[in-house]
Amino acid sequence: NAGVTQTPKFRVLKTGQSMTLLCAQDMNHEYMYWYRQDPGMGLRLIHYSVGEGTTAKGEVPDGYNVSRLKKQNFLLGLESAAPSQTSVYFCASSYSTEVRRPGELFFGEGSRLTVL
Amino acid sequence: AQSVTQPDIHITVSEGASLELRCNYSYGATPYLFWYVQSPGQGLQLLLKYFSGDTLVQGIKGFEAEFKRSQSSFNLRKPSVHWSDAAEYFCAVGTNAGGTSYGKLTFGQGTILTVHP
Repeated sequence: NAGVTQTPKFRVLKTGQSMTLLCAQDMNHEYMYWYRQDPGMGLRLIHYSVGEGTTAKGEVPDGYNVSRLKKQNFLLGLESAAPSQTSVYFCASSYSTEVRRPGELFFGEGSRLTVL
Repeated sequence: AQSVTQPDIHITVSEGASLELRCNYSYGATPYLFWYVQSPGQGLQLLLKYFSGDTLVQGIKGFEAEFKRSQSSFNLRKPSVHWSDAAEYFCAVGTNAGGTSYGKLTFGQGTILTVHP
């Protein structure tokens, strides 16, 4: 059982380049999320999706785009990479909420991105 | 908006000693509270969660946490630490603020736990 899989795990970009991070989950979860983790700042939500074909902005969405064309996949794109986007990116998924309760998040292993 | 504070950036304990990691939250209503653990190079794994009911919750790996509404705290405890507990621990809060919550969590800054043999 793979759970949540992120690719690639490591990537180095030059400023201005673009790239896409792929997240795939095999748990049939409705909700998916992209977080970034920076030292001393915990995890901050970039974008999230509550179902196929839907996306929404999180806390730090600028410079990123996302798409959820299939229920099991959630893509995070960097249009023009900047050094400030050097970070570790985590994808997570969860079941839909019950009676408005947030569900447990299942995380991927992370993708370490360096922008030079 | 909700927020979470973990006052301790780094804690060092000896193996076999007891552990308490502090977490304070800010939220106007009853929060949903979580503790996650992250081993080096890994994603986060849920240790335990509080939604309602008994304020002392048990989790995996022998951890427990107590919700204290009066202190806006949700501290994580373990009576005897093992070397394998060395990791980074994150407290998180979720809300029941209507349909827009969608399971979004706000995380604290994390506490790194080092265990000495």
